[in-house]
Amino acid sequence: GQNIDQPTEMTATEGAIVQINCTYQTSGFNGLFWYQQHAGEAPTFLSYNVLDGLEEKGRFSSFLSRSKGYSYLLLKELQMKDSASYLCAALDSNYQLIWGAGTKLIIKP
Amino acid sequence: GAVVSQHPSWVICKSGTSVKIECRSLDFQATTMFWYRQFPKQSLMLMATSNEGSKATYEQGVEKDKFLINHASLTLSTLTVTSAHPEDSSFYICSARVGDKNTEAFFGQGTRLTVV
Repeated sequence: GQNIDQPTEMTATEGAIVQINCTYQTSGFNGLFWYQQHAGEAPTFLSYNVLDGLEEKGRFSSFLSRSKGYSYLLLKELQMKDSASYLCAALDSNYQLIWGAGTKLIIKP
Repeated sequence: GAVVSQHPSWVICKSGTSVKIECRSLDFQATTMFWYRQFPKQSLMLMATSNEGSKATYEQGVEKDKFLINHASLTLSTLTVTSAHPEDSSFYICSARVGDKNTEAFFGQGTRLTVV
């Protein structure tokens, strides 16, 4: 079956760095997305990786290893507004998004 | 980025009534739109894929007669929850892709449905 695993909850300190991991098992693979979702709101796009390696975009970076079925989202210089859920989603061979349950990130002052 | 507008943002309805949720792509044509529901602290659950001018493709376990989807134009898809019950209370979100199938999905604001 198809499966996405990511931690349920993480806690970090304002100004610090946090890495949110995601492992996936899908029927075929056409890329991996990371989305941010604040409580009660719709998800917003953060990143897309389809090739191995690190993609940097400001304070956020995303890494992909296709051979390991693994990705992570790295958040630097954490701000209080970064408190949210972070959803990992893999695109399978039918171009259907398979969603993880999300990682709730709690930022403490 | 592309804008997807979803309306209403929240709705309260009585048990047994029907509720229609609209999803519009404001600055692009969306040949395919997706409808999700999300329960508290859970991930997005795909309900159906809506293609313009054709019948929606429903995921297993989703009642097509209860959740009516219409995609009459390239910019509008609607989800109608018929004969709503309290267990239908949830957060419903639509999304649409722009361009190729491996591009990002843009989401509407979501609709919080409460059935009393």
